[in-house]
Amino acid sequence: DQQVKQNSPSLSVQEGRISILNCDYTNSMFDYFLWYKKYPAEGPTFLISISSIKDKNEDGRFTVFLNKSAKHLSLHIVPSQPGDSAVYFCAASAPFSGYGKLTFGQGTILTVHP
Amino acid sequence: NAGVTQTPKFQVLKTGQSMTLQCAQDMNHNSMYWYRQDPGMGLRLIYYSASEGTTDKGEVPNGYNVSRLNKREFSLRLESAAPSQTSVYFCASSGQISYNEQFFGPGTRLTVL
Repeated sequence: DQQVKQNSPSLSVQEGRISILNCDYTNSMFDYFLWYKKYPAEGPTFLISISSIKDKNEDGRFTVFLNKSAKHLSLHIVPSQPGDSAVYFCAASAPFSGYGKLTFGQGTILTVHP
Repeated sequence: NAGVTQTPKFQVLKTGQSMTLQCAQDMNHNSMYWYRQDPGMGLRLIYYSASEGTTDKGEVPNGYNVSRLNKREFSLRLESAAPSQTSVYFCASSGQISYNEQFFGPGTRLTVL
């Protein structure tokens, strides 16, 4: 039972263009969502998050959008840079499910071509 | 500030052998976590410790035990390794306020033959 799904295993984008990574969830109790970025042979690093009381959060080139009715969130990277090439995981948490207990998606490999 | 450190980086075991994966953090975080990452599965929570002295099961705890030795250290033990436990293991920690924003170690790549 995959409660958080990233249906695109990979995405290829040209440098300078927009990258859009998508994530769907099924558990309506999730109220906090995060994106993590992972380079090969390293651990994931936190990128950006959004609470369910918002529908958008921006941090520099990164914007996360949340559509609660569709149970969908997306990460926009504008403009994309070759250094953004990595695996991106979305994650979600529910209140009272356990302190810091996150459910992760399968990940999307982003490749940004120069 | 080393952040989250894990040892060893790589390990090969035979079926039935036991081993302990070590994790330490120097950020004075209350909460610590163990995940495994398998192809196509994302990261799955094995066990977590919300604070020193407490541990709880995550999504995939079978075949593992954990010890929160002190606030800094959280170890993961495989008592009798199985090929299905071949994976990359990540330890993470988080603070009391932003507990969902977890800091991860570099991982341990474990192969069970």
